[in-house]
Amino acid sequence: EAGVAQSPRYKIIEKRQSVAFWCNPISGHATLYWYQQILGQGPKLLIQFQNNGVVDDSQLPKDRFSAERLKGVDSTLKIQPAKLEDSAVYLCASSRTGGVGYTFGSGTRLTVV
Amino acid sequence: KNEVEQSPQNLTAQEGEFITINCSYSVGISALHWLQQHPGGGIVSLFMLSSGKKKHGRLIATINIQEKHSSLHITASHPRDSAVYICAAHFDFGNEKLTFGTGTRLTIIP
Repeated sequence: EAGVAQSPRYKIIEKRQSVAFWCNPISGHATLYWYQQILGQGPKLLIQFQNNGVVDDSQLPKDRFSAERLKGVDSTLKIQPAKLEDSAVYLCASSRTGGVGYTFGSGTRLTVV
Repeated sequence: KNEVEQSPQNLTAQEGEFITINCSYSVGISALHWLQQHPGGGIVSLFMLSSGKKKHGRLIATINIQEKHSSLHITASHPRDSAVYICAAHFDFGNEKLTFGTGTRLTIIP
């Protein structure tokens, strides 16, 4: 089975610019997650989708971050405008109900300069 | 409060040694993952377990529900095992949300 696909792999932008990340989960996985992992720390959940509905976005900085999963399949995460502290790896993951088959993508490394 | 703690934080061993990484959690869980992250790489799920023991190659994961404790063992360790190992728990039954431990940085010296 194909894994969780993410793009781009790397991105460097200047502060105050905008950026978007894309994720395609494993086919049949209803739940999709976006995580932010700052260097040296564990992943922090930004948003969790169940199909195309939001389950948890309590840690998403909504003034600058947005995410959507319109058709319940692939998803985009956007940052506008970016800040220096947004430099991190953004990980997408997906799973079946109950966390079965939990699979992470390879991540997008964002550097804000 | 839902917490996951790992030990040790850092572990350096010689090639061939038997490795144990420990994970404890604060309250009952529905399942626990052991994850592996190589430097600059993504996260790979090694095991998901809710009871007993699982084995895959040189990796063994055990969990003791009563003691709220899990261990990851690596037999005949190899330099390619060098990575960060993270345990993560599902605290809420039916909720896929994961709470992550802080990770154990393992370095295997040839």
